[in-house]
Amino acid sequence: QLLLQESGPGLVKASETLSLTCTVSGGSISTSDYYWVWIRQPPGKGLEWIGTIYYTGSTYYNPSLKSRVTISVDTSKNQFSLKLSSVTAAETAVYSCARVVRGVIMGRPIHHQIDYWGQGTLVTVSS
Amino acid sequence: QSALTQPASVSGSPGQSITISCTGTSSDVGDYNYVSWYQQHPGKAPKLMIYDVNNRPSGVSNRFSGSKSGNTASLTISGLQAEDEADYYCSSYTSNSTLEFGGGTKLTVL
Repeated sequence: QLLLQESGPGLVKASETLSLTCTVSGGSISTSDYYWVWIRQPPGKGLEWIGTIYYTGSTYYNPSLKSRVTISVDTSKNQFSLKLSSVTAAETAVYSCARVVRGVIMGRPIHHQIDYWGQGTLVTVSS
Repeated sequence: QSALTQPASVSGSPGQSITISCTGTSSDVGDYNYVSWYQQHPGKAPKLMIYDVNNRPSGVSNRFSGSKSGNTASLTISGLQAEDEADYYCSSYTSNSTLEFGGGTKLTVL
């Protein structure tokens, strides 16, 4: 059974950098079949995709966050990480890591469904 | 504002059927059959219910079905049960190699 577990500070000051790590157990992060993603959900609101990483280090980011987001992978530790700079109070949310099924259509890699989620971790940005 | 548009709420009585729509554009829902639906109960992680428009993962009830017409995807739940009460989110792959979510729909079982 695949497990994803988020870790990192639950409280970040406004204008600082939010840093989280997702540890994957029960399976290897170094597989061509999957992407690894970060998603957030403000309290009482909907889901927002932050970005995606492949085990090779290739990344895709939400255009609205791209200038402030960095997602990296450490295959030796079976982990991937999120850094979001210059956060504001409006970015208080549950941050979750997840696995996305990867496909290739006519040579183009695509995202299919999210099949495993971490439990999520609440990060509060204090103003 | 979410990239994909869903109704904020829908409701139905036990045993009835309901449909939740998810409207995108020709750059996402309309151009790709990579629409997924997720069920989320309060305080829980989302659960995959439908993938690639109309495929059900193993273990998901056949009361859940998906379809697509043009730029709009739909999730239908038949034979409504009390445990179906939850938030439902659609998502789609896009031509920009990104993922988008709908704003979510709260399903109330009356």
